[in-house]
Amino acid sequence: SQTIHQWPATLVQPVGSPLSLECTVEGTSNPNLYWYRQAAGRGLQLLFYSVGIGQISSEVPQNLSASRPQDRQFILSSKKLLLSDSGFYLCAWGLAGRDTQYFGPGTRLTVL
Amino acid sequence: GQQLNQSPQSMFIQEGEDVSMNCTSSSIFNTWLWYKQEPGEGPVLLIALYKAGELTSNGRLTAQFGITRKDSFLNISASIPSDVGIYFCAGQLWGGSNYKLTFGKGTLLTVNP
Repeated sequence: SQTIHQWPATLVQPVGSPLSLECTVEGTSNPNLYWYRQAAGRGLQLLFYSVGIGQISSEVPQNLSASRPQDRQFILSSKKLLLSDSGFYLCAWGLAGRDTQYFGPGTRLTVL
Repeated sequence: GQQLNQSPQSMFIQEGEDVSMNCTSSSIFNTWLWYKQEPGEGPVLLIALYKAGELTSNGRLTAQFGITRKDSFLNISASIPSDVGIYFCAGQLWGGSNYKLTFGKGTLLTVNP
């Protein structure tokens, strides 16, 4: 069966510091991968998605970036965090050609 | 971007009551999905619907894909305290990208024992 991991689970970072969040998927090959952010207001905002290694599509212009160095690894990064980057970051995967997405456990990021 | 109108925004019910929530859109969707998110966790897929008119159950949960393809509802029967959480609808837009879903803003469900 497929599983999705995210780490760290929680993170507290000062403004201006760098960020690296990691997501890995097991039990499937060539998944579509997604990064979402969920603010306190509950809505899910799609940040990035990837349909293959090295292929990244950005949905929202911001100071975040994403990379997919391996088939089942998706990384969310920032060079300098802003207060507004605080939130709950969710990684998700889906099979190519299928609509269903499956979410990881999330990373709670607090920028102080 | 495309909007999914999910209602109600929140519900406070007594244990044992039935619950109904829905999502509507002005656009046509290929797929409707319902997720549940508990505090501090990622959303978990409850039900997936792929055909107009489809009615699918998962235990005490029942969801339907509207005939017009522009709406879906989720019912929970005989609610229990562990039903507490945020329920999200999501859909894949007709003619849209195969890779992206549109999400509703969620229904916060509170169940009083």
